[in-house]
Amino acid sequence: QKEVEQDPGPLSVPEGAIVSLNCTYSNSAFQYFMWYRQYSRKGPELLMYTYSSGNKEDGRFTAQVDKSSKYISLFIRDSQPSDSATYLCAMMHSGGGADGLTFGKGTHLIIQP
Amino acid sequence: DADVTQTPRNRITKTGKRIMLECSQTKGHDRMYWYRQDPGLGLRLIYYSFDVKDINKGEISDGYSVSRQAQAKFSLSLESAIPNQTALYFCATSDVGGPNEKLFFGSGTQLSVL
Repeated sequence: QKEVEQDPGPLSVPEGAIVSLNCTYSNSAFQYFMWYRQYSRKGPELLMYTYSSGNKEDGRFTAQVDKSSKYISLFIRDSQPSDSATYLCAMMHSGGGADGLTFGKGTHLIIQP
Repeated sequence: DADVTQTPRNRITKTGKRIMLECSQTKGHDRMYWYRQDPGLGLRLIYYSFDVKDINKGEISDGYSVSRQAQAKFSLSLESAIPNQTALYFCATSDVGGPNEKLFFGSGTQLSVL
């Protein structure tokens, strides 16, 4: 079993829809959670960062963490064609740094105009 | 100009050849990383460096070597390229370690080994 599981998609939704992207993990030592967005032939860029269970909101994006279920989500409201990208979840354990970062495989998201 | 620049953007080489991928950054960060990205496998860490005198192996360092020529430059070498090293390679930097560490990636080098 992989430490981090993420459905690769593609996930295709119409413009304006609410998008839900998810990752599950098996290592209870993971305490810090990130979402990176990657456009085609570009490097990933950090979108959201959270370390506690519950929700964190930034504009149209909401990151949700449920440590008891080992499940994290990224919600995108009022989705736009410009949101079409691959979304990677990433997580690290307490006291760790990027050298201990574990990435999901990424979910390819397509927003249809 | 990009803060993290990778050259070349694309490279096609033959099995057994030695090649070097280069990364330079203008962000002033001490920490630099090399990742590879494969479809279905995600991002995996190859090597990382916390400063000019510090080099560390990552998850998949076999078949690779690195050189940290200066704070701003970190090169990845494939001593004798093989087809399963065909992948998209990313360089990344960060300024602080620990749980608040955030990575800044270059645009990648697509490498094909024939």
